[in-house]
Amino acid sequence: SQQGEEDPQALSIQEGENATMNCSYKTSINNLQWYRQNSGRGLVHLILIRSNEREKHSGRLRVTLDTSKKSSSLLITASRAADTASYFCATDTGGYQKVTFGTGTKLQVIP
Amino acid sequence: GAVVSQHPSWVICKSGTSVKIECRSLDFQATTMFWYRQFPKQSLMLMATSNEGSKATYEQGVEKDKFLINHASLTLSTLTVTSAHPEDSSFYICSATPASRGNEQFFGPGTRLTVL
Repeated sequence: SQQGEEDPQALSIQEGENATMNCSYKTSINNLQWYRQNSGRGLVHLILIRSNEREKHSGRLRVTLDTSKKSSSLLITASRAADTASYFCATDTGGYQKVTFGTGTKLQVIP
Repeated sequence: GAVVSQHPSWVICKSGTSVKIECRSLDFQATTMFWYRQFPKQSLMLMATSNEGSKATYEQGVEKDKFLINHASLTLSTLTVTSAHPEDSSFYICSATPASRGNEQFFGPGTRLTVL
């Protein structure tokens, strides 16, 4: 079963604009991670945020976590055509390394 | 570091045959690996947790006799889809985590299985 629901399901923006994706989950978590998947490829880890953290940055990525609302957001600033991909959130609840993926957001950045 | 490979990258087989997919951690040891299945335009669904030297743990609804998992060494796990049928056609992805990286999973490039 899915732990996380992401919205929007699909997002299309112009190059240079910011892209925001949201993830909501159902149960308490230890960590939340964001992954990227190019079409037909494996997943690439982007960022991990722990349950006691509220915000984290990595390059053009900014992730926030609100455990009271059981939600997280991923912001990609100054988007590029190469950012076109599907983005998934994944949560773990303390079980050893096991994560559960959200439904994903398909991002298209138009040059 | 932390590279995971899969072989083959794609396979086409006839209905009723068995297909073996390999997952290797190239530069680290992994006592645990994970197998996921992803249908088109859908998210990843965990199928099973592969444990080195012991039986795999399957998620609810995944047939252990159909999806055989063998984790014979600290760098290799195999998933065998037995008596494959067209509905087994999917993208199969494995992942593993080095002990030093906590819950950050490193994914293989995936294997596209098409059953005719």
